[in-house]
Amino acid sequence: DAKTTQPNSMESNEEEPVHLPCNHSTISGTDYIHWYRQLPSQGPEYVIHGLTSNVNNRMASLAIAEDRKSSTLILHRATLRDAAVYYCILRGIQGAQKLVFGQGTRLTINP
Amino acid sequence: DVKVTQSSRYLVKRTGEKVFLECVQDMDHENMFWYRQDPGLGLRLIYFSYDVKMKEKGDIPEGYSVSREKKERFSLILESASTNQTSMYLCASSLGVRSQETQYFGPGTRLLVL
Repeated sequence: DAKTTQPNSMESNEEEPVHLPCNHSTISGTDYIHWYRQLPSQGPEYVIHGLTSNVNNRMASLAIAEDRKSSTLILHRATLRDAAVYYCILRGIQGAQKLVFGQGTRLTINP
Repeated sequence: DVKVTQSSRYLVKRTGEKVFLECVQDMDHENMFWYRQDPGLGLRLIYFSYDVKMKEKGDIPEGYSVSREKKERFSLILESASTNQTSMYLCASSLGVRSQETQYFGPGTRLLVL
């Protein structure tokens, strides 16, 4: 799977939007962009995924650049419960059975 | 909602003991996975299973074995626990293994081997 680059940490305030960036300049045409998050002392939790178009679900939105070399996870109104490590992952056809987590972005939410 | 449960949240074992970690999913998923997670190393796949009695080695199978006798249950076995197997163990399941499929994780078992 191609590599992703994320900031080590980010901080935001409660009830404000949060934009978590991810760079994936070597993405291939068939790679899906997935986001998971891991709350303290919990297993990872699926957030959202997409291929080319922007995606929305009840948890977040995913904005994918036109050239697909970067994407942004958007939490529209952060709560304290959104404090977690967020992982941006590319999943291609090869090795699709496993998830490869990088270091992720540790998101801190201030009350 | 998919529910993946693991038999223990915390476990302390002695070197040389045989250790069983159990995982159960309730969504009739075909595929189940065992990972370990260590600081600085991310998630590493130990074994996965795509059907009952079927298993495939992941990236780090040495020192581990698995068992899948029923579709909903996937067990990870440490034949003779060693201190370097101290880790967080995560079980996951998914409907398929295509690149757009979601994996659902259990809460994890934090294993300490003394």
